[in-house]
Amino acid sequence: GAVVSQHPSWVICKSGTSVKIECRSLDFQATTMFWYRQFPKQSLMLMATSNEGSKATYEQGVEKDKFLINHASLTLSTLTVTSAHPEDSSFYICSASGRNNEQFFGPGTRLTVL
Amino acid sequence: AQSVTQLGSHVSVSEGALVLLRCNYSSSVPPYLFWYVQYPNQGLQLLLKYTTGATLVKGINGFEAEFKKSETSFHLTKPSAHMSDAAEYFCAVTPAIYSGANSKLTFGKGITLSVRP
Repeated sequence: GAVVSQHPSWVICKSGTSVKIECRSLDFQATTMFWYRQFPKQSLMLMATSNEGSKATYEQGVEKDKFLINHASLTLSTLTVTSAHPEDSSFYICSASGRNNEQFFGPGTRLTVL
Repeated sequence: AQSVTQLGSHVSVSEGALVLLRCNYSSSVPPYLFWYVQYPNQGLQLLLKYTTGATLVKGINGFEAEFKKSETSFHLTKPSAHMSDAAEYFCAVTPAIYSGANSKLTFGKGITLSVRP
């Protein structure tokens, strides 16, 4: 149990375009979802926390207009990178937590912006 | 506030040798502690966690860790390394007041484990 999927697993896009990444909890209801960013050979940096049906809480230094997060249902959260630029290229990982608050991680999405 | 220190960035051991990955934490409230493993281009997989109870916790793949409050440590060990253990390992902490936004994890910078044949 406790499977989290992400789609797509990798995406390449042109500079200036927007990219949407989906995070789904497949077998449990996720009251809270977290979005992380990971640069090569570095740790995970929390970008934002989202609770179903409410606005996401962004960490300091993360542009909320740049990284739009929607958590419309208990099984789906989306991260949209708007007007992507090469410096947005990174590995994006989501996690989801349910009633016991343990986080389960998705497999990640590799974003490359040309 | 919480923080995690994982000293060093790379540990190399021979196959069959003891694995010891160090983790020290700082927390203003009682912590829950976690070890995760990450293989290349994949998400994180939980190895083990300490919440309450026994301070020596056993996880998957033969790993274990001991919570030592006096030393603020949660070091990860495995008696005998296997080639498949080569990966990135992250220690993480969250407040023991475990609800909603308080379950936010703070990660260490990670350690790369290499296993030599």
